[in-house]
Amino acid sequence: DIVMTQSPDSLAVSLGERATINCKSSQSVLYNSNNKNYLAWYQQKPGQPPKVLIYWASTRQSGVPDRFSGSGSGTDFTLTINSLQAEDVAVYYCQQYYTSPLFGPGTKVEIK
Amino acid sequence: QVQLVQSGAEVKKPGASVQVSCKASGYTFTSYDINWVRQAPGQGLEWMGWMNPNNGNTGYSQKFQGRVTMTRTTSISTAYMELSSLRSEDTAVYYCARGKIVTGTPTHFDYWGQGTLVTVSS
Repeated sequence: DIVMTQSPDSLAVSLGERATINCKSSQSVLYNSNNKNYLAWYQQKPGQPPKVLIYWASTRQSGVPDRFSGSGSGTDFTLTINSLQAEDVAVYYCQQYYTSPLFGPGTKVEIK
Repeated sequence: QVQLVQSGAEVKKPGASVQVSCKASGYTFTSYDINWVRQAPGQGLEWMGWMNPNNGNTGYSQKFQGRVTMTRTTSISTAYMELSSLRSEDTAVYYCARGKIVTGTPTHFDYWGQGTLVTVSS
């Protein structure tokens, strides 16, 4: 079975600075026939359902601010939040959908 | 606009069953899978399974096999998740989420219900 890990568990970033979250899959989620990485990123604020930010590892969901970006391929992925805003305080999850969907453990982002 | 509206909070005793509903609107209900994801208090997201509303086909996480049943009523665009033999560890918020086009490749979950808190307590 695929195992998803994220690092760090939490991070505190100053307003306007960059936040970087890493996600690692125990096996590749790159589907060679279509060259797509079956990896998404979600943001969850307290008391709310998750909201998709990025899918196919780097495609931004419609309406998501362009300060959010995703990168990586195969087994290693990164979510970058440029110029952190107060409303970005949340827990961020990666998810692979290459096999039965599985979420990473989450990374909590706070303001320093 | 796409909406998934779930039923209200439930309190159940250990050993009982619970059914959570998820009413879809704003799109063709039978065109997209419905997934169920749960989140225990203060914990992460756990995928439970999926259902194809067009033909009723399902796929369950091994963890919930034998205890979970996902069904639908297409005439009212509503999906259901029933979990049986409840134990305290099943206390969680349960979400429905729209997944892939039923004939398409796996994809992310683009719309989510508001969540339903199920509390299991004696």
